[in-house]
Amino acid sequence: RKEVEQDPGPFNVPEGATVAFNCTYSNSASQSFFWYRQDCRKEPKLLMSVYSSGNEDGRFTAQLNRASQYISLLIRDSKLSDSATYLCVVKDGGFKTIFGAGTRLFVKA
Amino acid sequence: GAGVSQSPSNKVTEKGKDVELRCDPISGHTALYWYRQSLGQGLEFLIYFQGNSAPDKSGLPSDRFSAERTGGSVSTLTIQRTQQEDSAVYLCASSLAGRSSNEKLFFGSGTQLSVL
Repeated sequence: RKEVEQDPGPFNVPEGATVAFNCTYSNSASQSFFWYRQDCRKEPKLLMSVYSSGNEDGRFTAQLNRASQYISLLIRDSKLSDSATYLCVVKDGGFKTIFGAGTRLFVKA
Repeated sequence: GAGVSQSPSNKVTEKGKDVELRCDPISGHTALYWYRQSLGQGLEFLIYFQGNSAPDKSGLPSDRFSAERTGGSVSTLTIQRTQQEDSAVYLCASSLAGRSSNEKLFFGSGTQLSVL
């Protein structure tokens, strides 16, 4: 079983749609959680951290369920510029940082 | 420089040759990571360095792969006797690695390795 698993997609949605990505992780001792975004042929960049209480940044909402070892990312009112690969990232109590394989999103006009 | 710098940006080599990939992290960042990303795939963890601690080499795929970090700064990833399946983008990242585990990783632009 992979340490971090994501639905690879692709998700094809129209502009303005709401889309949700899911991620599960296997290490119950994991401490920190993130979503990164990777544009085509570019390096990954941090989108947002994920907190136990859930957190929101504009159109983006992240949720964490430690009991189920599950992380989600919700994007509301999708824009063309949201088209990218979204990477779920899990960090253990030290510094080892594991990336999921990513979910590809295509937002179409 | 202001960001993580990797060189070369592209490397084409023949099967069986050795290659060295270089990463210069952000000044002051004590944690340094190497990842590998094959075309259309996710990031595969290879190795990380944290200060003067022994590196975590658990992701290295074979003994042909090695990495070192000199003086707690620049890191070199070496691949010996390259194989075609080694072709990928090799990404380096660094982080400040203070007490907060929420620190983000800053990535370099990667080295595209092509083994012919």
